Order: sequence, then C-alpha cells, then structure tokens
Amino acid sequence: GIQVEQSPPDLILQEGANSTLRCNFSDSVNNLQWFHQNPWGQLINLFYIPSGTKQNGRLSATTVATERYSLLYISSSQTTDSGVYFCAVVSWGAQKLVFGQGTRLTINP
Amino acid sequence: DSGVTQTPKHLITATGQRVTLRCSPRSGDLSVYWYQQSLDQGLQFLIQYYNGEERAKGNILERFSAQQFPDLHSELNLSSLELGDSALYFCASSVETSTDTQYFGPGTRLTVL
Repeated sequence: GIQVEQSPPDLILQEGANSTLRCNFSDSVNNLQWFHQNPWGQLINLFYIPSGTKQNGRLSATTVATERYSLLYISSSQTTDSGVYFCAVVSWGAQKLVFGQGTRLTINP
Repeated sequence: DSGVTQTPKHLITATGQRVTLRCSPRSGDLSVYWYQQSLDQGLQFLIQYYNGEERAKGNILERFSAQQFPDLHSELNLSSLELGDSALYFCASSVETSTDTQYFGPGTRLTVL
C-alpha cells in the first residue's frame, strides 16, 4: 500500500518563529489532508489539498502531486499551534485515508 | 466544531466486555468512516459505510463490527475486549467518497482494564 512519511518527527520552536513541515507519499493520490491534533486529542482539519496551494491565515500548504510531496507552512507560531500535525492521503482506487506518523510541534513562549 | 458527533467521550471497561461507540455524521454526509489511534499503531482505518452499506474494510478485527442505520448514524461494536484495544476511536464523515474531505469527530477514548 501507499507509504506516507512526515518530517521532521519533532520540532521545538520559540513563539513567533516560522516552520515548514513535509509530507512525502509513495504513489499518486486523489485526496490529501492536513490535520492538527491538539493536546486534547481532537483532529482538526487544516487543509484539503490534493494539489496546488492554499492559505488560511498564518497557515498555508502546497502539494506538488507530480513529485509526491506536500508542505505545510506555519508562520508567526503561537503556543496554541503546539500539537501533532498529520498528513493523510487516499491513493487512486482506495477508500481509506492513510496517515503519516505525524510531526510533533512544540511552541515555547 | 466539525459537525461530527461521537458518544461517549470516555469509556472505561474491563477485559472480556462489549461496548458500543456511536457516531452521527455531518448533515448531508452519506459516508462514515471509523479509525483507531493507538500508541503503537498510529492512526489506522477500520471500516467505511456509505448510505447504509459497507464500502471498504481495513485492519478491523473480527471481534469488531459496525453498521450504519437508515438515519445515517453509525455504531462500532467492540466485543471480547483486550487490554490492547485501549485506544482513541474516531469517526469521520464525508459527502460521498473517500476523495471528498473527511471531517473527524472528537473521538471516544476507550480504556480497557
């Protein structure tokens, strides 16, 4: 099945810093979503982005489908951005989201 | 708030018992998905229902079963529980297929003692 790799596994930053999270996938996809899992365990949708670029406030994402990777950018980090960020994909012909192992982001005040 | 609701939020039970987790999808969504998040396995797909019919199956144990009712809510039944079944169980919904955006509920945290 499709493999999803996220990097880095852990990231510790000071408030106000910018960060880039990467998601590589091993096959063509027709769904790619980024999620933020907050400290209470909730999975919050950030982006649906099987291709192209989207922005939402301080967050933006880019997926280059032909090269099989996606990037999540967080600018001017806040402590509330802390948590685990997951990338998940659906490969062509499949029915399920396959999740990466996540990037744990810690923003210190 | 994603619009997907799950009950209960927390469940503590003993080995060998049976529990039922409930999910109501977003208004208008026909597909419901169940996922399990455990420390050692990460987030894994269990099963998908579309408009009452099973559409896809993942790594779901034979002790687990699910169904989707005519009002589109879904239940996940876990029986003969083992310590290793302790996990966070998520329900998600989408308009129709897995290529649509999937929205996740708040999860049910199951602890098996």
